[in-house]
Amino acid sequence: DVKVTQSSRYLVKRTGEKVFLECVQDMDHENMFWYRQDPGLGLRLIYFSYDVKMKEKGDIPEGYSVSREKKERFSLILESASTNQTSMYLCASSLISQRSNQPQHFGDGTRLSIL
Amino acid sequence: AQSVTQLGSHVSVSEGALVLLRCNYSSSVPPYLFWYVQYPNQGLQLLLKYTSAATLVKGINGFEAEFKKSETSFHLTKPSAHMSDAAEYFCAVTDSSYKLIFGSGTRLLVRP
Repeated sequence: DVKVTQSSRYLVKRTGEKVFLECVQDMDHENMFWYRQDPGLGLRLIYFSYDVKMKEKGDIPEGYSVSREKKERFSLILESASTNQTSMYLCASSLISQRSNQPQHFGDGTRLSIL
Repeated sequence: AQSVTQLGSHVSVSEGALVLLRCNYSSSVPPYLFWYVQYPNQGLQLLLKYTSAATLVKGINGFEAEFKKSETSFHLTKPSAHMSDAAEYFCAVTDSSYKLIFGSGTRLLVRP
């Protein structure tokens, strides 16, 4: 069965800290994604990666960076955490398809609070 | 640019009643459309997907959705609501770069 694992369910950090959110998938998927979810705004794409060491900015990349050194692992980095980055973060993965019809598979999310 | 609109941030139904969650999309190319469900404190789970093979798509847990090109809609329905259906539902459409564009979500409340 498909499995996307996020390293932490809940995380509390302080303003200015460097924060790492980790995501691992066991399905050999090429694509991986990081979203943040806020009430009333749905899911907004932060970054995505379609191959090892490849990344593309999503809709809201400011204040974030990513790392994909291995196919199965995609890390989201908050360089200097701020209170407006308090949110639910969701990782997802999918197969590459020329017809773009492959669904994304999601982890259970990390609820991050920045104090 | 593609976009998704979900009408109604909250929908409340009685147990056993019809569930109807609305989704309208805009797309300049033939779309691929998805419905996801999110239970409290969990990630998103795929309910069903439209990939042009059939306009009526059946998904898990008794849900189905009908693609109507003329109305640019992909509404989600279930004939009889169950208490366990209470969750948040998201409609999504793909763009050409494998990214999903999500609607803002509809929270379904089921009254006993």
